[in-house]
Parts: sequence; C-alpha cells; structure tokens
Amino acid sequence: QVQLVQSGAEVKKPGASVNVSCKASGYKITNYAMHWVRQAPGQGLQWMGWINGGNGNTGYSQRFQGRVTITRDTSASTVYMELNSLRSEDTAVYYCARTLQVYYYMDVWGEGTTVTVSS
Amino acid sequence: DIQMTQSPSSLSASVGDRVTITCRASQAISNYLGWYQQKPGKVPKLLIFAATVLQSGVPSRFSGSGSGTDFTLTISSLQPEDVATYYCQKYNSAPPGLTFGGGTKVEI
Repeated sequence: QVQLVQSGAEVKKPGASVNVSCKASGYKITNYAMHWVRQAPGQGLQWMGWINGGNGNTGYSQRFQGRVTITRDTSASTVYMELNSLRSEDTAVYYCARTLQVYYYMDVWGEGTTVTVSS
Repeated sequence: DIQMTQSPSSLSASVGDRVTITCRASQAISNYLGWYQQKPGKVPKLLIFAATVLQSGVPSRFSGSGSGTDFTLTISSLQPEDVATYYCQKYNSAPPGLTFGGGTKVEI
C-alpha cells in the first residue's frame, strides 16, 4: 500500500542543521510532488515547501526561503528536507505529504519526525 | 498574499449535534480548498478536496460547500470519534503557497 516512512526523532543545538528523510513505497515518486509541513507544539500546520518528483523543481514558503532545501533521490524513492541555522522556534513535528500535482491536496502523509532544538 | 481564516477557533457540541466550521480566503480561490482532520497526537488526514468532494473512506456525515472566498465544513451528526482539530487549506498556485487556516478544535 502507499506509505511514507520518515526518519527518526532528532535533537539539535541552535545553529545546527537537520536533515529529515521521507521514503515512499507503493507508488513512484516521479509521478507525484512532495511537500513538507511542520507543526510546533500546540500550534497549527505550517506549509514549508515542495519538490516536483518528476523534474526536481522546488518551491519554498517565503518564511523559510534561504534556510530550507528539499531534494530527492529517485533511485531510493526518498525525499529529503534540510533546515539550517536552527533555533528553538524550529522545535516541531515535521511531516512529508504527497500531492498528485504541485498545487494539489495532500492525500498521503508521513508519520511525522520530531525535531527538538535545545542547547 | 492570500490568507485563510477559520472560525470559530474552537467549539464544544454534543453528540448528535450539527457542527459547522467556516473558512474564508482573503481572495477568491475557486474551489481549490481542502479540509483535514487531525486527532490528538495523530497525523492529519484528508477529509474533503475541491471544496465539496469527500475523500474515499470518509463518513458521509462530513460535507463541504462553498466556492470563491467562503467555505464550510459540516458534520451532520457529531460523533465521539470526531473530536479533533480541523484545518482548511488552499492549494491554488497564488502566493504564499499551500496555506493552512489556523484550525478549529472540536470538543464534546
């Protein structure tokens, strides 16, 4: 069945970088886009950016522009999200979610990866 | 940029009640609107897309309406398992991207 499996929880110090992976199974990532959404403790959902699984094009929320990079490895059916210059406000659960087209609804979600930023 | 505003931010209702949640876009987005349910401690789940289309497997007590700037999610008869936070999301290409509303927490 279609599934997105994310990497495990991370604890990082302020200023560090984190790389979260999202491995897809049950479908071809080249036929879909992948998005990253985060949720800080007790807060709502915040869209971060997308990657077109077919051509690798990316788009990012202005809020994270310059700090986030989304990449893919089609041979591994895996999408990656790197967030740099971490600060305490980046403590959140990070989700990957797929869409059929870049601008489309998110029909399958990963289980989430908790990233904690603390000195 | 298009902003998505949900109301109310929270509500409490009884089992069997009809519940209505509103989502307003600051500019017209046609029907590029989805609704998601997030139960406590769980992953968000797609309920409705294209403003009115029920995702496969979602109970028929959920329905969506609206187009342009004003949208509604209705639960016709609230059940205990519907306790969750509900989010609307625009997914057209207009900036600032796939924006979510602030969420509506539904309690019994």
